[in-house]
Amino acid sequence: TQLLEQSPQFLSIQEGENLTVYCNSSSVFSSLQWYRQEPGEGPVLLVTVVTGGEVKKLKRLTFQFGDARKDSSLHITAAQTGDTGLYLCADPNSGGSNYKLTFGKGTLLTVNP
Amino acid sequence: DADVTQTPRNRITKTGKRIMLECSQTKGHDRMYWYRQDPGLGLRLIYYSFDVKDINKGEISDGYSVSRQAQAKFSLSLESAIPNQTALYFCATSDGIGEAFFGQGTRLTVV
Repeated sequence: TQLLEQSPQFLSIQEGENLTVYCNSSSVFSSLQWYRQEPGEGPVLLVTVVTGGEVKKLKRLTFQFGDARKDSSLHITAAQTGDTGLYLCADPNSGGSNYKLTFGKGTLLTVNP
Repeated sequence: DADVTQTPRNRITKTGKRIMLECSQTKGHDRMYWYRQDPGLGLRLIYYSFDVKDINKGEISDGYSVSRQAQAKFSLSLESAIPNQTALYFCATSDGIGEAFFGQGTRLTVV
């Protein structure tokens, strides 16, 4: 099972600032997912990236998949307090043929008013 | 109704007691998962199941067991609860390709 390394672990910013969080692995992903988890709730899928170099946008969120499919980033423009939460990257195809779903440790983002 | 329902939502139990956490899903997916979440450690996989007859250990299965009673039902048991099993537990389901759907979690405290 490949290890998903997320950075930074914690991030506290002011409303209106931009930020980028990262997800890296030593192995190639066949695809990668980003989830957001709000306090007291389960994670909710934001996006799935599949193709190396792919860029997907979801309103103020931009997701990029590295050309070599070993890393991904999430950029938030003009952060809002509603963006506060735990951002998790996940490999839905880890374990080779077992296809188990594994997660990184996450980036805890706090956006202050 | 929620896609994934976990019961109970909160539970306090004593050391040494057996406890079962239940999960049911209405998505019709074959794959179901149990995760444990501790502060700073993200979601760690306890067990996962691809169908009723296929159950696999995750990275932290010691001290836990599971039962897949039907395609829609997947329960997690702690045979003899210990304090370091105090955590937030999540059940999830997916089709293995797309989105995973999570329950709202069970907050378990072992005293």
